[in-house]
Amino acid sequence: GESVGLHLPTLSVQEGDNSIINCAYSNSASDYFIWYKQESGKGPQFIIDIRSNMDKRQGQRVTVLLNKTVKHLSLQIAATQPGDSAVYFCAEPQGGSEKLVFGKGTKLTVNP
Amino acid sequence: KAGVTQTPRYLIKTRGQQVTLSCSPISGHRSVSWYQQTPGQGLQFLFEYFSETQRNKGNFPGRFSGRQFSNSRSEMNVSTLELGDSALYLCASSSKGGLNEKLFFGSGTQLSVL
Repeated sequence: GESVGLHLPTLSVQEGDNSIINCAYSNSASDYFIWYKQESGKGPQFIIDIRSNMDKRQGQRVTVLLNKTVKHLSLQIAATQPGDSAVYFCAEPQGGSEKLVFGKGTKLTVNP
Repeated sequence: KAGVTQTPRYLIKTRGQQVTLSCSPISGHRSVSWYQQTPGQGLQFLFEYFSETQRNKGNFPGRFSGRQFSNSRSEMNVSTLELGDSALYLCASSSKGGLNEKLFFGSGTQLSVL
């Protein structure tokens, strides 16, 4: 069935470095993925999404890469800033419904 | 435009009690979903409402219920609270709740069951 998971529970980077957060999924039929950012004390906030007919999508300082061959997606954050410190989740709809299945999340810490 | 509003922000209850949480979606949004977030299980889908009808339900016991009003505001209720119900309960809204539609989350209600 559908499931998404993240490789690392925590990631620590220096301010200004690029960050890469990974996510693996199991359902080869999955066709839509979303990345959310959750800051302390807040709900998840949409960052960027990608459909399976794309390999890459860019936003402001963020890029999502989708590798359907190995069922892997990644979120790249350029020039990471202290404000990027948060927990990042990948998510996908389950079974053609509005229900989202979330990965466990990666906590990103940006050191000054 | 105001975001998704959840009340109360924090709640402390004892085992066996019941609790009602409230969610006001973004103006114009008709779909409301509820999620439970715990350190151990992460974010898990509870249910989704659209036009006062429950369209989807997650794998939670019948103690968890919800409803949606004609103004799209939603409430969820947990009866006979257990210690394991301690969690952050998040509400999310979207325009129509259609497939692949963006969800907007509130800041959640932190429920502690003692």
